[in-house]
Amino acid sequence: EDQVTQSPEALRLQEGESSSLNCSYTVSGLRGLFWYRQDPGKGPEFLFTLYSAGEEKEKERLKATLTKKESFLHITAPKPEDSATYLCAVQAYGQNFVFGPGTRLSVLP
Amino acid sequence: DAGVTQSPTHLIKTRGQQVTLRCSPKSGHDTVSWYQQALGQGPQFIFQYYEEEERQRGNFPDRFSGHQFPNYSSELNVNALLLGDSALYLCASSLGQGGNQPQHFGDGTRLSIL
Repeated sequence: EDQVTQSPEALRLQEGESSSLNCSYTVSGLRGLFWYRQDPGKGPEFLFTLYSAGEEKEKERLKATLTKKESFLHITAPKPEDSATYLCAVQAYGQNFVFGPGTRLSVLP
Repeated sequence: DAGVTQSPTHLIKTRGQQVTLRCSPKSGHDTVSWYQQALGQGPQFIFQYYEEEERQRGNFPDRFSGHQFPNYSSELNVNALLLGDSALYLCASSLGQGGNQPQHFGDGTRLSIL
């Protein structure tokens, strides 16, 4: 059975304090790994798709990387507006998305 | 370019009632998936519709059913509501069934069961 775990469950950072979020997965035949951001009361907002180990994607202060067992979302010099829940999802061949529980990020000014 | 739209935004029902939630996909998308998100948890896959047929289904009882219309919009129906059905129901759309394209989400319908 496909499984996704995320750590830490919650993270508090000072503005400018860089850190990383982890997404560990078990899947038979990874077709894609997806990162989303979700603000309170809103739907998930798509950030990145990673397809194969070694791949990296960047967007502003965010950088996503992928290995055969996990993905990291690196946040460089975060700002308060980066506060949100970050969700990771995997898709196996012939299957739909399986989401992790998310990491709640708070960036304090 | 309109994104995924869902209606209503909030709904309050009592146990045993039935509910219908609606979703219009992002322009150009033809596949709709539905998810249930409990408070503090990640979305759980309910089912996916493509070409007006249910193509995949998650671990949800038959009380959960759906429909897709020729214009790609979709409905989620839940019968015999239970207290545990209280959650945020999310609709996501994508292009093509079975592909690895990202899904784009609406802001959901918050369903509360009293």
